[in-house]
Amino acid sequence: EPEVTQTPSHQVTQMGQEVILRCVPISNHLYFYWYRQILGQKVEFLVSFYNNEISEKSEIFDDQFSVERPDGSNFTLKIRSTKLEDSAMYFCASKGVAGGQETQYFGPGTRLLVL
Amino acid sequence: AQSVTQLGSHVSVSEGALVLLRCNYSSSVPPYLFWYVQYPNQGLQLLLKYTSAATLVKGINGFEAEFKKSETSFHLTKPSAHMRDAAEYFCAVSDFTGNQFYFGTGTSLTVIP
Repeated sequence: EPEVTQTPSHQVTQMGQEVILRCVPISNHLYFYWYRQILGQKVEFLVSFYNNEISEKSEIFDDQFSVERPDGSNFTLKIRSTKLEDSAMYFCASKGVAGGQETQYFGPGTRLLVL
Repeated sequence: AQSVTQLGSHVSVSEGALVLLRCNYSSSVPPYLFWYVQYPNQGLQLLLKYTSAATLVKGINGFEAEFKKSETSFHLTKPSAHMRDAAEYFCAVSDFTGNQFYFGTGTSLTVIP
């Protein structure tokens, strides 16, 4: 069964450093998403991406975040200058087509720790 | 605006007992509702979803949930808990586009042998 994959599974970085989290969505999907889950808290929507541009973003997704689909398979989340509060699990998701019958499929997540 | 509330951050049941995980939603539009399970160190796996068809939805691993509009609820149940059901369970709501999911805070299920 097709699945969303994410790399790395764990990332440790120093505050102020840039990190890039990578995701490979399901191959025929068109909509892509990033979510984060701070330890012990709920999963929060960050951004959605369709047709090579951001379609929606939350208040969390400020100027230090960016997303990109650099080639036909990868979907990346970049955090330019990490802060301690960026430590979280980051989930990528993808969806096939528009309409309510489609479901977002989630990857296993990248656990980011900012020191 | 859409949101979900999961009552009970931790639930413990004995193996073989009924599992009941509660979820109430708030939505200004007809909601689509989902239950996801997260096993330790793994991603979010879809258990089941309600998308305005049958109000009683059957999912994987013997779980089911019933959409009750009058109670704005979408509680998850399983008749008989198994040890492998121990995990974190998340309720989520979206609109019909499915483009933005709002998750609950999660319920950690412990199954006691």
